[in-house]
Amino acid sequence: QSVLTQPPSVSGAPGQRVTISCSGSSSSIGAGYGVNWYQQLPGTAPKLLIFGDSNRPSGVPDRFSGSKSGTSASLAITGLQAEDEADYYCQSYDSSLSVVFGGGTKLTVL
Amino acid sequence: QVQLVESGGGLVKPGGSLRLSCAASGFTFSDYYMSWIRQTPGKGLEWVSHISGSGSSINYADSVKGRFTISRDNAKNSLYLQMNSLRAEDTAVYYCASYSGSPHWDGMDVWGQGTTVTVSS
Repeated sequence: QSVLTQPPSVSGAPGQRVTISCSGSSSSIGAGYGVNWYQQLPGTAPKLLIFGDSNRPSGVPDRFSGSKSGTSASLAITGLQAEDEADYYCQSYDSSLSVVFGGGTKLTVL
Repeated sequence: QVQLVESGGGLVKPGGSLRLSCAASGFTFSDYYMSWIRQTPGKGLEWVSHISGSGSSINYADSVKGRFTISRDNAKNSLYLQMNSLRAEDTAVYYCASYSGSPHWDGMDVWGQGTTVTVSS
């Protein structure tokens, strides 16, 4: 099982807002390490969506936002679009000197 | 343009060895931490290992420690993963990726297309 816990699936209608949670621990997210989010479309490599908790790389729409509080983090997607249907992964670092991923969340656009 | 291209995947028997390579272009390779990430078919992402720009700092996942060795050749802009004592559970798509900054804070902003490793008799 993954060190970071995500819901297996979330869904929303076009135009709606959805959030994906990522729960860690005091040795990962709670230790102050950055939380990063990736989007993976079917058959493609992951793409960095959010880095350092809440920063967007250039080219990522501002419909995507990240936040962190305590040992958890969240990814919010507003104005949901059909092309947002993908798998989303959170990632952080752990004090045991390892990089950790969440198990992934499949977003379905209804 | 910024690009990572993996190679070296294939079919190998349990207990066998394989060496993956990742060729980087379009950026100053030696300035960045590099990592190997794997993904089992239909499953999630698993970090395997990463190495600092100079090669002086290396970390491994417990699942591969003692069997896999990460290395880099900055003169050739290349990253490697030597995989020994392979097991069925090592079967996955292996991606190389570069961090945008520190592994403690920043994400991996450039990814290769992946190379498939299948461990089976």
